[in-house]
Amino acid sequence: DAGITQSPRHKVTETGTPVTLRCHQTENHRYMYWYRQDPGHGLRLIHYSYGVKDTDKGEVSDGYSVSRSKTEDFLLTLESATSSQTSVYFCAITDRGDYEQYFGPGTRLTVT
Amino acid sequence: GEDVEQSLFLSVREGDSSVINCTYTDSSSTYLYWYKQEPGAGLQLLTYIFSNMDMKQDQRLTVLLNKKDKHLSLRIADTQTGDSAIYFCAESSGSARQLTFGSGTQLTVLP
Repeated sequence: DAGITQSPRHKVTETGTPVTLRCHQTENHRYMYWYRQDPGHGLRLIHYSYGVKDTDKGEVSDGYSVSRSKTEDFLLTLESATSSQTSVYFCAITDRGDYEQYFGPGTRLTVT
Repeated sequence: GEDVEQSLFLSVREGDSSVINCTYTDSSSTYLYWYKQEPGAGLQLLTYIFSNMDMKQDQRLTVLLNKKDKHLSLRIADTQTGDSAIYFCAESSGSARQLTFGSGTQLTVLP
């Protein structure tokens, strides 16, 4: 257990509504990541953060934004959810110099 | 861009060895990883290997790396029913340690 929690764990929302997912860590790790998992694609990187207010895009960033105003929290926002964003979202952390990347329990998001 | 490929399915008998294979394209990969995911669960880090190593052993797990062929394998000795899961290969090459994953191999252990 790397001290990572995600909220909510499950969410159903309608197309066009905004959604924010939260990742919280308790161990002051510098790097945090958001991935999405879809059948046949493994996990794909959406955005990542290398410090407070320092973020960058991953492979599938279109339609998503992130914010990190505190070390412990990394927020993923879908400004206007679409059905193609139905997925399982995983947050992860790693420490520079520590090459072990640990994942949170995931958030299952359904966009109807 | 980077690409990581795995075969989709593997079935073995309980007690046999399992070998899960992975190929990757990014020659600048620094670390290569194996994760396990059980149904409805998150990803569990099993093991990883630095790119300048050929082999790493950890109890029932053996990782082999052929850097020339960009081929990674995970061998599970004495496979048990509890080993049934999806196994993901991943490589890390970015400055922020971001991972690129394969699509996963579904391992089924038959009694």
